[in-house]
Formats: sequence, structure tokens, C-alpha cells
Amino acid sequence: QKEVEQNSGPLSVPEGAIASLNCTYSDRGSQSFFWYRQYSGKSPELIMSIYSNGDKEDGRFTAQLNKASQYVSLLIRDSQPSDSATYLCAVNMFVPKTSYDKVIFGPGTSLSVIP
Amino acid sequence: EPEVTQTPSHQVTQMGQEVILRCVPISNHLYFYWYRQILGQKVEFLVSFYNNEISEKSEIFDDQFSVERPDGSNFTLKIRSTKLEDSAMYFCASRDGVPYEQYFGPGTRLTVT
Repeated sequence: QKEVEQNSGPLSVPEGAIASLNCTYSDRGSQSFFWYRQYSGKSPELIMSIYSNGDKEDGRFTAQLNKASQYVSLLIRDSQPSDSATYLCAVNMFVPKTSYDKVIFGPGTSLSVIP
Repeated sequence: EPEVTQTPSHQVTQMGQEVILRCVPISNHLYFYWYRQILGQKVEFLVSFYNNEISEKSEIFDDQFSVERPDGSNFTLKIRSTKLEDSAMYFCASRDGVPYEQYFGPGTRLTVT
């Protein structure tokens, strides 16, 4: 069973629109969730983290978490051409009873914002 | 703003050779990681390191791989005998205790010929 799944896309939205990116995960015990942005040939760049059910907003970005449904999403408002990148959903998994963790990444969703 | 740095940015090596990839994590961070990304594929966890020892490793991280923190600032990944399939981007990451956000370096592109 795949651990973190995302729609691979590509997702195309016009400039100024809302882009919606979705992610599901398999480990019901996961507590920490992240969205990274990755431009082609570059490293993952952390844009959002979310730990509690509900919404978390940061500028044009809103992350949503529903642990019961094992679902995380990212909304990008007023999309800009510079937002064109691959968005990686990532879930933190801990070794039980330790602080040792690893981040499991989804395959990423490619977003293209059309001017 | 503090950042993770990695050297070299690109390493070309012949199959069977040893390579060492270097990372300088963010200075006050306690947990260190290596990930790899084969071209066109997802980012994969290799190993985590805390308190001078490996805390977890993936099945990819076999006996050909090793990690070391030789001093207070550097964190290295060694591949003893490289294979063609080791060609990938290798990312180092680090984090503080809490929160659990990992920050990635720019990566080293390893090309094995």
C-alpha cells in the first residue's frame, strides 16, 4: 500500500485562480504534515506545515487537514506564474516511543499557472 | 537566514568508485537526514541521524552506504562502491527538536558512469 498519494497532474490553472492540491496518507498515527514546493532541478522548499485538524493559512496558502479521513490539502489563492512547480505532500512518521522520524513524500503534483 | 549547504553540487564518478557527499546542516539543529531523488521519481528517505548515531534507515540504505558527523558542523554520506543506479540527486536535511519541520539543502547531483 502506497504511503502518501497525490494526483500527479499536471494541474493547470489560469493566473489569479485558486489551485487545489490534494493528498491522502495511509499511516493513521501520523501527526505532522508538510507541503513542499520543488522547482525543476531544485531541492524541496518547505511552504506549509500543519499538525491539527482544520485550516492553517499563511499568505496565499491554506493547508487543510482531516485526520479522520487521512486527507491533507493545499489551496493556493491568486495563483501566479511563479507558483508553477511540483508540490510535494509529505508526512512525518515516527519510530514508536522515540523522537526518531522520517519524512515520507508523495509523488508530487505538477502545477502550471497560465498567464 | 540559516540554511543547509551541500558540496559538491555535481559529482561525476565511475562505477565502483567511492564517493563522499558533504553537508553542513543548520547550526543549532539536532536531527540530520539524507534523501535521494532519482530523476523523475519521488523523494525517498535514506537515513536519519541523531546524537552521533543512525536512528533509522530505509531498505535502500544498505552496506554500501554510511554516514558520519566527523566534526561539529559536517554531515557526510559515503557510497563505497557506486553503481549506475545510484545516479540521483542527494538531499541533506536537518531539523531542530520541535517543530518537526525539515529544511533541505540544495542537493548534490551524482552521476555514475
